[in-house]
Amino acid sequence: QITLKESGPTLVKPTQTLTLTCTFSGLSLSSTRVGVAWIRQPPGKALEWLAHISWNNERYYSSSLKSRLTITKDPSKNHVVLTMTNMDPMDTATYYCGHQRYVNAWYPFANWGQGTLVTVSS
Amino acid sequence: DIVLTQSPDSLAVPLGERATINCKSSQSVLYSSDDKNYLAWYQQKPGQPPRLLIYWASTRESGVPDRFSGGESGTDFTLTISSLQAEDVAVYYCQQYYSAPYTFGQGTKLEIK
Repeated sequence: QITLKESGPTLVKPTQTLTLTCTFSGLSLSSTRVGVAWIRQPPGKALEWLAHISWNNERYYSSSLKSRLTITKDPSKNHVVLTMTNMDPMDTATYYCGHQRYVNAWYPFANWGQGTLVTVSS
Repeated sequence: DIVLTQSPDSLAVPLGERATINCKSSQSVLYSSDDKNYLAWYQQKPGQPPRLLIYWASTRESGVPDRFSGGESGTDFTLTISSLQAEDVAVYYCQQYYSAPYTFGQGTKLEIK
């Protein structure tokens, strides 16, 4: 069974850097063909895809947020970390991590974490 | 970036009736090498993460009731619920996983009439 869990601060100040961790079990980013992505959802609004990292270290980012995002993995700890710089109140959202598998091509997100709400306020 | 536009933004359907949600892609999400559309549908209920319903535009995820079906015609996609049940009240999203960034539609809120 694959499980994912997001963790990080619930409150950050404007201009600060946000660091979120996705901890997973039931999959390995070191050898199996999987990917982990971050998606966010402002309160009452739509889902927004942010970033993806794969087992072979391919990384993709949202076009509009690329300059502020970094995604990394630590397979030994079953972690994927997302950092977002220069936080703004508009970045207030629930942040999810999701798992994708790769079998000749990428599959969509069959497994999601429960999400973590991050509020940006001074 | 590929833009997905869903319609309508909200929809109210009587119990037992058919509900249809549309998703139009700004460009093809058809991968020629496998002849599959890289388009998925998710259901999201309040306070929960999204749940994958459909992938490859028309393949139901394991455990998804067969009243949910996906259709495709070029760059136009549909999610149909053949007989709406009370537990289907949710927001539905389409997503393309053809090319990064893997964008989502803006969502369609489905309610009981």
